[in-house]
This record gives sequence, C-alpha cells and structure tokens, in this order.
Amino acid sequence: DIQMTQSPSTLSASVGDRVTITCRASQSISSWLAWYQQKPGKAPKLLIYKASSLESGVPSRFSGSGSGTEFTLTISSLQPDDFATYYCQQYNSYPCSFGQGTKLEIK
Amino acid sequence: EVQLLESGGGLVQPGGSLRLSCAASGFTFSSYAMTWVRQAPGKGLEWVSAISGSGGSTYYADSVKGRVTISRDNSYNTLYLQMNSLRAEDTAVYFCAKQTNSDPGYPCDYWGQGTLVTLSS
Repeated sequence: DIQMTQSPSTLSASVGDRVTITCRASQSISSWLAWYQQKPGKAPKLLIYKASSLESGVPSRFSGSGSGTEFTLTISSLQPDDFATYYCQQYNSYPCSFGQGTKLEIK
Repeated sequence: EVQLLESGGGLVQPGGSLRLSCAASGFTFSSYAMTWVRQAPGKGLEWVSAISGSGGSTYYADSVKGRVTISRDNSYNTLYLQMNSLRAEDTAVYFCAKQTNSDPGYPCDYWGQGTLVTLSS
C-alpha cells in the first residue's frame, strides 16, 4: 500500500502570506494526486487534481506541483477563508490513501 | 445541482451491523464511480471503499476488508455501505463522495455532509 506523508502537520501564517504544504508518497504515483480543503464540521472540498489542475471555481491563488513522489500545494496570498485543514490523496492505486493533514492556523 | 445525502448512521454495539445509504441527485448516477471516506472524531480522512459506475468493480481498505460491502442501485440512484462485525475503531463520520469518472481511480469532486456511526456498549 502507498503511504502519504504531509508536512508540516501544523502551519501558522498571516493573511497575505505565501504558504507551501508538502506531500510525499512512499512510491511513485505519477501525477495521480489530489488536494482537498476541509473546514470544521464540513465535508472536504476538491481543490487540485492530477497534481496541478485547478478544480473549477477554486481561486487561482491555489496551485499544485510535483510528480512521482513529491508534491506541493501553494497558496500565493492567504485569505481569511483559507484557514482550514488540507489533505493530499493519491489515486494511483488501491487502496487510495490520504495524507494525515496539515492544519493551517492564523498566526 | 449535485446532492449527496447520507443516512443510516447511529449508535451500535460492538459486533453489530449497520447499513449506510447515500441518495444521489443532480447527475447521471450510473456514469460515475462512488466512494466512502470516513473520519474518526478529531482525526484525518480515511478512504474506506469505492465502486465503479456499473457496480462491477469494488475496492476496500485493509482495515474494513471482509467486514464491509459496498454496493449501488443505479435504478434508485443510491449507494450503500453494509458494515458488519463493527469495532470501536469504526466510530467515525462516514462521507459518500462522487468521483469524476466511471472508473474508481479518480478524485472526488462532490461530497455529502456525512453520517455519524458511533460504537458503544
């Protein structure tokens, strides 16, 4: 099974900051990676698919990059609505797996 | 508008069974694979199971394999998760989610609000 590891687990930042979250796969997953945003008590929301493709309706300040085993999610200029928990997910092979999550907090 | 509405959660004793349902609307249900993802209280997301659009292919996490069966009724636009031999570690909110293709190997673009399953003796 493929293990997904995110870093950091918690990130403190301010409105306007540029932040980057990293996700590493235990083996190559090509570009079969998605990023989700989740707010407390809510369902996850798809942000990025195929490592770098922006889901329709998602602000362009979100971007994804990477392939193989290392991936990043970047938010270019943090907005108040962006403080949430972010998860990566590999869908290269079953069982699909999520990273443990990165909680983005207000500094 | 795509809508996914889970039901069937509740309080159950260890060793018991439960069947979760997810009623779908707003899209051609049979054309898309569907997934169940769960989230234990205060924890991260855990992928549980997926099924192809036709229902002919199913996949399970090791943690539930042999105890859980995913199925769908495309005539009624409904996804199911039959859970047996439930354990304390199955306590979680269970989300159903629509994938972006009929093949399960794709991400989830729409999610329900979840149904809570609680194990307690």
